[in-house]
Amino acid sequence: QVQLVESGGGVVQPGRSLRLSCAASGFIFSNYGMHWVRQAPGKGLEWVAVVASDGRDKHYADSVKGRFTISRDNSQNTVHLQMNSLRAEDTAVYHCAKDGDIGGADYYFDNWGQGTLVTVSS
Amino acid sequence: EIVMTQSPATLSVSPGERATLSCRASQSVRSNLAWYQRKPGQAPRLLIYGGSTRASGIPARFSGSGSGTEFTLTISNLQSEDFAVYYCQQYYNRPSITFGQGTRLEIK
Repeated sequence: QVQLVESGGGVVQPGRSLRLSCAASGFIFSNYGMHWVRQAPGKGLEWVAVVASDGRDKHYADSVKGRFTISRDNSQNTVHLQMNSLRAEDTAVYHCAKDGDIGGADYYFDNWGQGTLVTVSS
Repeated sequence: EIVMTQSPATLSVSPGERATLSCRASQSVRSNLAWYQRKPGQAPRLLIYGGSTRASGIPARFSGSGSGTEFTLTISNLQSEDFAVYYCQQYYNRPSITFGQGTRLEIK
């Protein structure tokens, strides 16, 4: 079965950086776009970023554009989120999610990881 | 940005009864609408995509309907494991997809 396991969360000071990783298994990783979606404490879900199946096409939410970078390694079945210039409002549980459409990116999510907590605080 | 509004914020229903959850889009999203279930400490679970297509492994008591701006998630014969928070999400306006704020389904 599909498994997505995030890692790399923690407590970080404002302005610093953090790199999240997601290890995927149970499906042909290189066939699917992969996303990061976050949920701040007491708030709703917010889509963050997507990387296409071949790693070439990437898109970001306006709230993170220019600060976050998504990447993937199809040889290792992993997807990463490099987060720079972190702000208090980036505090959230970050989920890795698999796109529901094979080959493309439909932007709905048929499998999610449990998430990793990022806390930005001085 | 397309704003997704879910109602009600909280719904109290007895086990065995039917729950009807609503989701409204600020502009048409055609059928590009998904529903998710979220339980504490668990990853979100895709229930419905394309407005009305059940995801793999989702019981038939979950059904989705609607298109354009008005959508409904109906859960028939509520089971104890169905009490959770439900989110709708539009994926028409890619990549600027948006979620509703959620409806909490609680036991009456």
